[in-house]
This record gives sequence, C-alpha cells and structure tokens, in this order.
Amino acid sequence: GAGVSQSPSNKVTEKGKDVELRCDPISGHTALYWYRQSLGQGLEFLIYFQGNSAPDKSGLPSDRFSAERTGGSVSTLTIQRTQQEDSAVYLCASSLVTGTGGQTQYFGPGTRLLVL
Amino acid sequence: KQEVTQIPAALSVPEGENLVLNCSFTDSAIYNLQWFRQDPGKGLTSLLLIQSSQREQTSGRLNASLDKSSGRSTLYIAASQPGDSATYLCAVRPVEYGNKLVFGAGTILRVKS
Repeated sequence: GAGVSQSPSNKVTEKGKDVELRCDPISGHTALYWYRQSLGQGLEFLIYFQGNSAPDKSGLPSDRFSAERTGGSVSTLTIQRTQQEDSAVYLCASSLVTGTGGQTQYFGPGTRLLVL
Repeated sequence: KQEVTQIPAALSVPEGENLVLNCSFTDSAIYNLQWFRQDPGKGLTSLLLIQSSQREQTSGRLNASLDKSSGRSTLYIAASQPGDSATYLCAVRPVEYGNKLVFGAGTILRVKS
C-alpha cells in the first residue's frame, strides 16, 4: 500500500503570510505525528494525534502553529503570519496505535518551507 | 530532559569496510529506540526498532544493539556499499513524553567506491 504522503513538497512564501501543509497517513494508522527539521535544531517534535483523543500539542513552538486531523485521517498543519525562522522541512509520520512498547513510525517525504 | 547524542557527526569509509555508528541518551527510561536513514532531500526510512526489553535487532547487513542501563546504542553496518551513503539518525521514545521521538543530530556516512 501507499506510504505517508505530504503536500506540497516545496513551499516558498513571504513573511507574514499563512501556509497550510497537508499529510495523508498510511491507511489504518491511528497515530499521526508532525516534526520539524531545521538547520541547527535537528528534528523536533511538534504535535501528535491518536484516534479521538485530545492531541498532544506540547511541541508547538508558538500559537502561530496549529494542526487538525479530520476524520481520523488527513492532517493539516497551519502556520500563521510566517516568520523567516519557520523555514524548515516539516515531516509527518504515522504509526499503528501506540502502547507502552510503541510501533515503528513511518515518515513522509516532508514539505520544504522557505519564508522570504 | 532527554538528550540524544550521535558520534561521529560524519564518517567517510572505503567500500567493503565494516563500521559502527554510536548513539547515547541521557535518560534510560525509554520505551524503545529506533534507527533511521535519511537520503538528501528525502524523508526518513525506518531501519530497526529495538524495544526497551530487547538487546539487539538485525536486518540484513545491519545490526543494532541497545544497552539501556548505560544509555547506549550502536548500529553496525557490515560490508558497506556506496548505496549506504546517507544520514543515519537515532531516536528514542522516552517514557516521560510517551508520544514523541527525541532525535540525535545524525551521522553523515559516505561510502567511497
């Protein structure tokens, strides 16, 4: 079956504009994660969705960042009033339901965001 | 706060050599540890996942070990090939923050033909 897909693959925007990044997880995966990979910061966790539970937003860097997951499948990460420091690769991952052991997270190809 | 360190930051080896990548983490309270590969401009590909109760996992020419008490993991690559050239990332799933992975900065591997 298909892996995790993300769109767009690349996005260039002007400072102050809003952007939306999309993630389609692997069918049947109930857990969905967003990470950000930037120079000097490495890979950092942003937000996690699991089924109908309240999302874990502990990694969101500011209130300009938000995410939703509709119907337990597709997720959208929104960045409002983008800043140059938001430039990074935004990666989405999905996995089967997590337990105390945890399942392998499968990553999408990422969206490369450049804020001018 | 869990921190993950990978050594070396970069490694260049001739084809055919066996090599070891190192990963250390500061808090031994983890659910699992995962090794990923990332090719330039691409996402992450999971290579091996070791649960906290396990000591090692093997897949083809790859072998990963986990010593949870000392906070260390190694990824052993046998008979390296140019196609192994990539960035290798180590990540732990901490018990304290059960829903996320904490990543190291990665080791950039180049295998010369």
